[in-house]
Amino acid sequence: QSALTQPASVSGSPGQSITISCSGTSSDIGTYNYVSWYQHHPGKAPKLMIYDVTKRPSGVSNRFSGSKSGNTAALTIFGLQAEDEAVYYCSSYTSRSTYVVFGGGTKLTVL
Amino acid sequence: QVQLVQSGAEVRKPGASVKVSCKASGYSFTGYYMHWVRQAPGHGPEWMGWINPNSGGTNYPQRFQGRVSMTRDTSIRTVYLEVSRLMSDDTAVYYCARGTVVTSGAYIYHGLDVWGQGTTVTVS
Repeated sequence: QSALTQPASVSGSPGQSITISCSGTSSDIGTYNYVSWYQHHPGKAPKLMIYDVTKRPSGVSNRFSGSKSGNTAALTIFGLQAEDEAVYYCSSYTSRSTYVVFGGGTKLTVL
Repeated sequence: QVQLVQSGAEVRKPGASVKVSCKASGYSFTGYYMHWVRQAPGHGPEWMGWINPNSGGTNYPQRFQGRVSMTRDTSIRTVYLEVSRLMSDDTAVYYCARGTVVTSGAYIYHGLDVWGQGTTVTVS
């Protein structure tokens, strides 16, 4: 069981927007602005999409946006495209001994 | 370009050890922390720790202390993950991933920006 809670799946049509939630606690998301999001296509290396809650690495489309409210972080993808279909994981620094925690992943299906 | 290339798949029996390598290229090897993350079938990723390639210092979560060892060889820009006393639950894909720039201060997690291709370890 993962430390951060994500929905198992979300879906949307091309051009639509979707949001993936990531629920944590006051030991991680609620206190620290060190939330990151990863896109994972099967058989490939994960790709960093968002770090420090809202920041995008160079080369990542501005269709990807991160936010946080209380103990919950969110990843929003605007203008869905077929290539966005993947599994998305959230991650956060935690003050517990595990130091870094991940969510269980959300499968995004582009209809 | 920045790249991490890992060693190939491994099969081990329970109780054995495995050592996975991760060779870095395209950036200052000693300038960035290196993490190891694993993902077992049907589970989310699990953080296994980091190594400071400059000093060799490491940080492991409590559940892996005593069973996991991370080392590096700066001459060949390679970090290693060794897991001992393997159990079937250790069957997973193991990834190395680049972390934050090494500084004189405490480590801060800003995500993992470059990942290796993964190494499948099967314990059976």
